[in-house]
Amino acid sequence: KAGVTQTPRYLIKTRGQQVTLSCSPISGHRSVSWYQQTPGQGLQFLFEYFSETQRNKGNFPGRFSGRQFSNSRSEMNVSTLELGDSALYLCASSLQGGSEKLFFGSGTQLSVL
Amino acid sequence: GDSVTQMEGPVTLSEEAFLTINCTYTATGYPSLFWYVQYPGEGLQLLLKATKADDKGSNKGFEATYRKETTSFHLEKGSVQVSDSAVYFCALSQSGGSYIPTFGRGTSLIVHP
Repeated sequence: KAGVTQTPRYLIKTRGQQVTLSCSPISGHRSVSWYQQTPGQGLQFLFEYFSETQRNKGNFPGRFSGRQFSNSRSEMNVSTLELGDSALYLCASSLQGGSEKLFFGSGTQLSVL
Repeated sequence: GDSVTQMEGPVTLSEEAFLTINCTYTATGYPSLFWYVQYPGEGLQLLLKATKADDKGSNKGFEATYRKETTSFHLEKGSVQVSDSAVYFCALSQSGGSYIPTFGRGTSLIVHP
């Protein structure tokens, strides 16, 4: 069974640009969550999608958005990039969410110059 | 709200030493508790979990016991290897699909030959 796939693996952007990251969950998983990981802040929750609906949202500005498609694949978009957006962005999937274990992708390393 | 506190790292050990990484939590009800591990350049992966008081989770020589009286879930391993060098995250989650897991800040483990 294929794991969680995130693309691209690395991205370099400049301030003011926008970026779209992609996540393909494990087949059959309907919950997809996104996290931002930085050395200073650790893991911070961005949002969770379940059956194409945003079910939970973390404390990030509106520049961060996401969506989920009918096949459960998810994308997140960051507009007007800032230097502080440089981070590892992790996607995690599970069957239903909640107390289930999460399956993480390897992440997308975003560098904003 | 719920929270997880882990000991700060890095924890530096010699090969075959005994490992303890402390984790305490604050939560209502009876959460499930998890340890995730993140190897360099990868996403997080589940190491072990426990779902009720006095449960012991174990995997790859690692163990952790759910102690409700002390609200703790300390990770232990009797003899660490260089390959155990990674970042370890303690996490909790409540039942209910819409709950978002709460993660600790992570503890870096460095094992020297």
